[in-house]
Amino acid sequence: GENVEQHPSTLSVQEGDSAVIKCTYSDSASNYFPWYKQELGKRPQLIIDIRSNVGEKKDQRIAVTLNKTAKHFSLHITETQPEDSAVYFCAASIRGYSTLTFGKGTMLLVSP
Amino acid sequence: DGGITQSPKYLFRKEGQNVTLSCEQNLNHDAMYWYRQDPGQGLRLIYYSQIVNDFQKGDIAEGYSVSREKKESFPLTVTSAQKNPTAFYLCASSIGFGLMGGETQYFGPGTRLLVL
Repeated sequence: GENVEQHPSTLSVQEGDSAVIKCTYSDSASNYFPWYKQELGKRPQLIIDIRSNVGEKKDQRIAVTLNKTAKHFSLHITETQPEDSAVYFCAASIRGYSTLTFGKGTMLLVSP
Repeated sequence: DGGITQSPKYLFRKEGQNVTLSCEQNLNHDAMYWYRQDPGQGLRLIYYSQIVNDFQKGDIAEGYSVSREKKESFPLTVTSAQKNPTAFYLCASSIGFGLMGGETQYFGPGTRLLVL
């Protein structure tokens, strides 16, 4: 089955810096890659996703890049703010065929 | 995601007791999922259902059972066979397998289960 590795497990940045979280996956057939943000004690919320027909997708300060050859994808957050502090999860699946496999999460801490 | 509800918010289980966690959605989604979340472990799939009256085991189904008698409801029972049930349980739903956008999952607020 699919295996998703996520790094780093913890990331500390200063407000205004950029943050990058990386994930690798094992199944070359995977073609859907969402990112979720989970604040303490709350539900995970989808922040951005990418499908394998594109290499990059942006939404304001958030972007995701996908490298299918290397089987990795990354979340980029620019101009970080304290409210970006949360645990971020990546996931992968084969659209219409398999369920999501999640990485173990990255705790992002943004200091004012 | 406001259309997915879970109850109760906190649940306490005694030794040898079965407990049932509720998950309801009003999004008209075909597929529903149950995940277990432990610190540092990410989200692990317990069971999922693609359609009413059908469900499949996920990666960690032992000690759990589910039913899907209605499209809106997917309750999870944590049985006494689950020896380490303390965790945060999350329910999710999606439009459905094979449908446009059907892979996108939306989560409920979760139930925290504690053992007395």
